[in-house]
Amino acid sequence: NAGVTQTPKFQVLKTGQSMTLQCAQDMNHNSMYWYRQDPGMGLRLIYYSASEGTTDKGEVPNGYNVSRLNKREFSLRLESAAPSQTSVYFCASSEVLGSYEQYFGPGTRLTVT
Amino acid sequence: GEDVEQSLFLSVREGDSSVINCTYTDSSSTYLYWYKQEPGAGLQLLTYIFSNMDMKQDQRLTVLLNKKDKHLSLRIADTQTGDSAIYFCAVGTNRGKLIFGQGTELSVKP
Repeated sequence: NAGVTQTPKFQVLKTGQSMTLQCAQDMNHNSMYWYRQDPGMGLRLIYYSASEGTTDKGEVPNGYNVSRLNKREFSLRLESAAPSQTSVYFCASSEVLGSYEQYFGPGTRLTVT
Repeated sequence: GEDVEQSLFLSVREGDSSVINCTYTDSSSTYLYWYKQEPGAGLQLLTYIFSNMDMKQDQRLTVLLNKKDKHLSLRIADTQTGDSAIYFCAVGTNRGKLIFGQGTELSVKP
């Protein structure tokens, strides 16, 4: 089992460019999450998907969109990147929403210039 | 909204005990967690405690929960250089999501 995988590992964008961060899990989990990690601020939830076919906003959804493509895959899209979106992005999954453990991917380090 | 607070840095000597503290505001949390993040990696669940417990021990790790004061702590006994990492406190909300603290960077000096 690979667990939670994320691509790419690193990305540099110019302001206004768009990109999609990919996430996949092979644990047959129902729920998936996107977080961003900024120094001194911990992890903040951007969007989550409780189950296939549903998505909901988290704490900081502005400037992002998500797609739950199927049970395995959950992508995060930046339509028009801004320097404030420079961060490390983590995807996570759990068996169901509220499961006691979330499993994290290795992260994508994004820089917007 | 819910809030989780941690101090940002802790430095200890190898062999000493480390105590990482966390305070939270959501008194309805059923589970409280400690996650560990090693450099360049994602987070991994280290341990957790149910809200009806005061203490949980797991080898070198001891978790203490004071529900009255909404205070959670993680004690690492005989701290090793391999324990150097960022430790995140997290609380589960009644909507099934996790709220994370800022993370405490533990530095262990030989």
